[in-house]
Amino acid sequence: SAVISQKPSRDICQRGTSLTIQCQVDSQVTMMFWYRQQPGQSLTLIATANQGSEATYESGFVIDKFPISRPNLTFSTLTVSNMSPEDSSIYLCSVDTGRLYGYTFGSGTRLTVV
Amino acid sequence: AQSVTQLDSQVPVFEEAPVELRCNYSSSVSVYLFWYVQYPNQGLQLLLKYLSGSTLVKGINGFEAEFNKSQTSFHLRKPSVHISDTAEYFCAVRRGSGGSNYKLTFGKGTLLTVNP
Repeated sequence: SAVISQKPSRDICQRGTSLTIQCQVDSQVTMMFWYRQQPGQSLTLIATANQGSEATYESGFVIDKFPISRPNLTFSTLTVSNMSPEDSSIYLCSVDTGRLYGYTFGSGTRLTVV
Repeated sequence: AQSVTQLDSQVPVFEEAPVELRCNYSSSVSVYLFWYVQYPNQGLQLLLKYLSGSTLVKGINGFEAEFNKSQTSFHLRKPSVHISDTAEYFCAVRRGSGGSNYKLTFGKGTLLTVNP
């Protein structure tokens, strides 16, 4: 299965600022998925990123708040903009290799907004 | 759309006891089902998956799960747990088809705590 490198692993940010999270995959993948895991909660899909087109956002998530880039088939970024303490969560990227129907996850970015 | 219900938010057990973590799903189409484990301060690791075929699926670390279509369930079991199995377990579902790149929908998770 694919290996995902996600950076940063954690960060503490001031409210009102933005943080960009990077996700690098060791193989080419069509789709990349960005999830949020709020403290003590399950994973919620933020958006699906397809190379060469705009990301598709789930209900409750908007591009202005969570802009996503997907410049090639192995890399994507998620930006958390104008952060507030409610954005404190773990953010994870995930890929589907398309062969095993299992999804590989990055190790996550633990974000604390103060 | 698919949805997942994990019936127990927390399951405490003693070491070497058997355990079952329950998962029910809802879908109007065929599905693929997954169990993931998340150890403290770590990412998600795939335990096992059901795509088709035998309804009894064996995964890593001695876990297994049984797909029951009539009861729309995919319960996770282990005959004898270890302290190291203490973790959060997530059941997930996606549309089951020959295609790929479908999103996963997760249940709320079950915290398994194994006590000595």
